[in-house]
Amino acid sequence: EDQVTQSPEALRLQEGESSSLNCSYTVSGLRGLFWYRQDPGKGPEFLFTLYSAGEEKEKERLKATLTKKESFLHITAPKPEDSATYLCAVQEYSGYALNFGKGTSLLVTP
Amino acid sequence: DADVTQTPRNRITKTGKRIMLECSQTKGHDRMYWYRQDPGLGLRLIYYSFDVKDINKGEISDGYSVSRQAQAKFSLSLESAIPNQTALYFCATGNRAGGWEQFFGPGTRLTVL
Repeated sequence: EDQVTQSPEALRLQEGESSSLNCSYTVSGLRGLFWYRQDPGKGPEFLFTLYSAGEEKEKERLKATLTKKESFLHITAPKPEDSATYLCAVQEYSGYALNFGKGTSLLVTP
Repeated sequence: DADVTQTPRNRITKTGKRIMLECSQTKGHDRMYWYRQDPGLGLRLIYYSFDVKDINKGEISDGYSVSRQAQAKFSLSLESAIPNQTALYFCATGNRAGGWEQFFGPGTRLTVL
C-alpha cells in the first residue's frame, strides 16, 4: 500500500484557471510533508515544508495546506511557466527517507 | 555555480561494469542522500549519511555502495551494473541546523545495456 497518493495524475489548465492538487498520506507519525516541483530532466526543486495540521505556506501563486490525512497545493491564476510535475513527500518520525508520491503532471496552456 | 553538483550527468555502460557516480555540494550541509527515480515508481532512497563517519542503508540499497569522502562529497557505486539499475540518480543534501527538507542535485541519467 502506497504511503503517499497524489491526484490527479495529470492536470491541464488554461492560464488563469485556478485549481488544487491533492496529496493523501498514511503514516504512523508525521515528521513533515514536503512539496517539490520537478521540470523534465531536472532534479526536484524544494517548495514547502508543512509540519502540523492546519499549517499553511505560500509562495507566489502557490499555497500549500495540511490536514491530518492530506495536503493540498493550491495554484492561483497559473501561468504557463508553472507547468511541471509537482511531487509530494512525507517523512515519518521512525525514519529519515522522504517517501514520495508519483506526482501530478501540470500543464498550463496560454 | 550550482550548490549540488553531480558527475557524470549522463552515462551509458554495460552489464557487469563498475560505475561510480559522484556528488559534491557547496551548501555546507551535513546530511547527504542518494535516490533513484524510475517512471511509475517515483523517487526511492538508496543510502544516506549524516556525517563523514555515518552511513545508512535506505529502502533499496542492494547492489549499491557509498563512500562519504568529506562533508561535501558523497559517491555512489554500482559494483556490477545490471540493466534494472537503469534510472535517474539524484543526490540530495540537508542541513541539521535547518529543517528536514532535502535539496536535490541535477541528476545523473544512467543506462545499463
